Amino acid sequence: AQSVTQLDSQVPVFEEAPVELRCNYSSSVSVYLFWYVQYPNQGLQLLLKYLSGSTLVESINGFEAEFNKSQTSFHLRKPSVHISDTAEYFCAVSESHDYKLSFGAGTTVTVRA
Amino acid sequence: KAGVTQTPRYLIKTRGQQVTLSCSPISGHRSVSWYQQTPGQGLQFLFEYFSETQRNKGNFPGRFSGRQFSNSRSEMNVSTLELGDSALYLCASSPTGTSRETQYFGPGTRLLVL
Repeated sequence: AQSVTQLDSQVPVFEEAPVELRCNYSSSVSVYLFWYVQYPNQGLQLLLKYLSGSTLVESINGFEAEFNKSQTSFHLRKPSVHISDTAEYFCAVSESHDYKLSFGAGTTVTVRA
Repeated sequence: KAGVTQTPRYLIKTRGQQVTLSCSPISGHRSVSWYQQTPGQGLQFLFEYFSETQRNKGNFPGRFSGRQFSNSRSEMNVSTLELGDSALYLCASSPTGTSRETQYFGPGTRLLVL
């Protein structure tokens, strides 16, 4: 069975500064990797996902994540954050034969002016 | 297209009661999954339905059950509620539920058990 570890539970950051959210997973089979964001009192929205091909994936709002198979990681980065990026971010994994997502514990990002 | 809708949005029950939550997937999506979100346990998978059949089930007691109708709408039921069942219950839909697909989440139903 797969598991997902998000190494930071809280990340405070100043506006326009870079941010990195770390995610490691363990699985014995091929996986697909996702980052979801949850704004207060809302459901989850997909930020980006890695299925295959280029290990660097990007979102439309400036986030990017890199799949590293040897380190079993899928870290999320943004070079310059905005106040509106304040939210909780979840890393998730699905295995190729499965019908569910396994989530990490989440990282709360608080952007301050 | 309209997104995933969940009703009710908020619910207060007392211990021992039962509750039914409803989820309407995005039009054309046939897979519906349910997740429980709590501060202590995070997001945990409950079950997944496709074409009215449960294909996968998480590690929850039998008090948690679900079903899916022919129009892909889904309900989940929790019987004999316990204080620990207080949580945000999220429903997600996708076209066929395969592991490559993006799951689209509803806003959730927040259940408080007193």
